[in-house]
Amino acid sequence: GQNIDQPTEMTATEGAIVQINCTYQTSGFNGLFWYQQHAGEAPTFLSYNVLDGLEEKGRFSSFLSRSKGYSYLLLKELQMKDSASYLCAVDGTYKYIFGTGTRLKVLA
Amino acid sequence: DTAVSQTPKYLVTQMGNDKSIKCEQNLGHDTMYWYKQDSKKFLKIMFSYNNKELIINETVPNRFSPKSPDKAHLNLHINSLELGDSAVYFCASNSLGSLSGNTIYFGEGSWLTVV
Repeated sequence: GQNIDQPTEMTATEGAIVQINCTYQTSGFNGLFWYQQHAGEAPTFLSYNVLDGLEEKGRFSSFLSRSKGYSYLLLKELQMKDSASYLCAVDGTYKYIFGTGTRLKVLA
Repeated sequence: DTAVSQTPKYLVTQMGNDKSIKCEQNLGHDTMYWYKQDSKKFLKIMFSYNNKELIINETVPNRFSPKSPDKAHLNLHINSLELGDSAVYFCASNSLGSLSGNTIYFGEGSWLTVV
């Protein structure tokens, strides 16, 4: 079966670092996406990991371990505008399977 | 220049009606998708089309009929609307095997409310 798990909600303080975890069990795997979705808006692309390891892009980094079926998104120097849902998605070719998303609340 | 555009953005309609949502992408992508996002914010794939051919149909009721007249368009027609069809419908597109790593680009969403 297809299963992608993320925490439902997280809260962090402005300026802090937060790590959002994602575990997956899927029948096909080409890579893993992270998307950000603000309320009332479409998801926007953050990162795509194909190989194991950490990829850094500014304040955001994403990590993948294919053998463990595990990924995380690391957000540094949190800003109020980072309050959003963060969706983990598995690239299964013609089919991108999304997790339920993690709602991140950044407090002043 | 909107990359993936959907219309209408908002739609309120009565149970039993038939409605359509249109989607167009100007990115030159060969694959298009429809996703449904329910009130719990779970984004679930409904259909995917590659070069106008249906590739994925995720056990969607046959009241939902997608149609792809060409690679740049994927429309969604819904017959006999039910209350449970109320959701946000996102169109998306990408090109598989591209240098951008299969990144999918979403339209702005169509908010459907069935009353």
